[in-house]
Order: sequence, then structure tokens, then C-alpha cells
Amino acid sequence: AQKITQTQPGMFVQEKEAVTLDCTYDTSDPSYGLFWYKQPSSGEMIFLIYQGSYDQQNATEGRYSLNFQKARKSANLVISASQLGDSAMYFCAMRASGTSYGKLTFGQGTILTVHP
Amino acid sequence: DAGVTQSPTHLIKTRGQQVTLRCSPISGHKSVSWYQQVLGQGPQFIFQYYEKEERGRGNFPDRFSARQFPNYSSELNVNALLLGDSALYLCASSFLSNIAGDTQYFGPGTRLTVL
Repeated sequence: AQKITQTQPGMFVQEKEAVTLDCTYDTSDPSYGLFWYKQPSSGEMIFLIYQGSYDQQNATEGRYSLNFQKARKSANLVISASQLGDSAMYFCAMRASGTSYGKLTFGQGTILTVHP
Repeated sequence: DAGVTQSPTHLIKTRGQQVTLRCSPISGHKSVSWYQQVLGQGPQFIFQYYEKEERGRGNFPDRFSARQFPNYSSELNVNALLLGDSALYLCASSFLSNIAGDTQYFGPGTRLTVL
């Protein structure tokens, strides 16, 4: 079974500053993927970034980067140069290969508020 | 290119009724997954379909069922609605079924309210 833990219910950041959203995971599968999604108040889940368990380098996508520490089972999302439009709920999710098929396991989410 | 589409956007039903939610995947995607998101929580996996076959099922009662059509669109059916079924129902599509790195792209969701 997989488990995702997001310990920050809410985070606040000033516009143009960087922010880190924490995510720890637990799985016995050797092959897995870690995902971050953004969910604005409209409800749609927007894919941000992916990290594979065998990837040697941390994933980056524009202003988003993933700080992957496999030994500590953490996959923190770093947003650089925060913008007002970044205010949303952020979910960390995991998917394991094999019999887990399409199941994404999500954390409880972190609400990010960007102040001007 | 069009993203994942879902219909209807909103739905209000009463207890005991039945509901059908619809989803069209991104063109070329053969896998569709359904999730339920109760207010204040992360989405919970309900089903995955790939090539018209059920490939995964979450911990939901038999009142929940789904199917996938030859054009890869999908329907989620919920019978005998309960108040606790009120939630945002999200559909996600992807290319493959069981690859860890296969990214799922979500639709805008259907918000179901059961009175």
C-alpha cells in the first residue's frame, strides 16, 4: 500500500519569493512515480511535475522543481518567484507500477496563499 | 488540443436516485480513471479502465460502477445515492495502464450534491 503525507495544511508566501511544500511518502514498491498537482478553487487538477523513483536528477518544470530525497522518502515541491496566480491547493500524489495500475494515491493537500 | 472533458458540470440529486457522469479523454489516451474528492480531502481512486476493461478498483461499494466505450470515453454510475456521495468527481486520462510514470491529466470535474 502507498501513503502520502503532507504536513502543512496552509502556507503563506510573499509575491516573488520562493516557497517549499513538503511531501513524504511510503511504499514498498521499488518502482514508483511522484506527482504534484495544483487545484485552484475552480476544482480542476492541473499537473505540475513528475519524478520517477529511478531518476538520478531532480525534476524541474519552469518555476517548479522537485526536491527528491529517496532515502528520506520525501518529494518536496519548490515554487520559485511566487505569483498571485499560484494561490491554490497543492496535492502530492504517488503511483506505483504493476498491480496498482492507474491508482494515484493523494495526500491531504496544502493550501498556498500568495500575498502581494 | 482538447483536454479531458466531463459532463455535467454540476448535478443535484436526492437520496436513493441514480446518477451517470460522463468523461471524454484526451485524444490518443486509452486509459480513464475516476476519483471522488470529498470537500477538504485529497481525491480517492474509484476505478481505472484501459482498453474497455476494468484494470483497477478502489475501496468503494458496488453501488459504484463504470464502463468504457470503444471511443475510450467513460461513464461512472452511482446507484441508490447517499448523502455521503456528495463530492467532486474527477476523471483523468492517460496513455497507459500500469506504468508508474504515466501522467494522468484531469478534467474539470462534476460536482454532485445529494439532498
